[in-house]
Amino acid sequence: DQQVKQNSPSLSVQEGRISILNCDYTNSMFDYFLWYKKYPAEGPTFLISISSIKDKNEDGRFTVFLNKSAKHLSLHIVPSQPGDSAVYFCVSTNAGKSTFGDGTTLTVKP
Amino acid sequence: DTAVSQTPKYLVTQMGNDKSIKCEQNLGHDTMYWYKQDSKKFLKIMFSYNNKELIINETVPNRFSPKSPDKAHLNLHINSLELGDSAVYFCASSRSESRRSGANVLTFGAGSRLTVL
Repeated sequence: DQQVKQNSPSLSVQEGRISILNCDYTNSMFDYFLWYKKYPAEGPTFLISISSIKDKNEDGRFTVFLNKSAKHLSLHIVPSQPGDSAVYFCVSTNAGKSTFGDGTTLTVKP
Repeated sequence: DTAVSQTPKYLVTQMGNDKSIKCEQNLGHDTMYWYKQDSKKFLKIMFSYNNKELIINETVPNRFSPKSPDKAHLNLHINSLELGDSAVYFCASSRSESRRSGANVLTFGAGSRLTVL
């Protein structure tokens, strides 16, 4: 039972354009949602989070949107840069336990 | 200075052997975790310790035994290694305050790639 799904295994965008990464979840008890970025041969690093009581959180070029009724969240990166090329994991938490999606590989072309 | 460090980074061993992976964090966090990333790239939690006490123990074969000598260290010992144990194992840590009432941001190590032949 996969509670957090990232249906697009990969995404390719042109530098300067917007990248939109999507995530769906099934457990309505999740209280926080996070995005992590992972480069090859490194561990995931925290990018941005959103509480379940909010619908938007912005940090520089990164914005996360939460649609609780649809159990859907998305990460927007604008403008995209080649250094953003990485695997992005959507993570949902409940009582401190983190559930990871299976990741989306983003490639930003110069 | 690495915040969460794991050793070894690479480990190649034969089926049936026993091996350990060590993890140390210097962030002052009191909760530590082991995650397994399999060939399908899923990151699944295996164990979590808070102040040396086991708080999460997912469905993991009892050949896997975590040990936390203090809150800065969480080691993973694996007995009788099997082919299916081949994976990348990530150690992580967090603050218990954020785990209880916040986003519980995890800081990960770089991973230990285990290959069982």
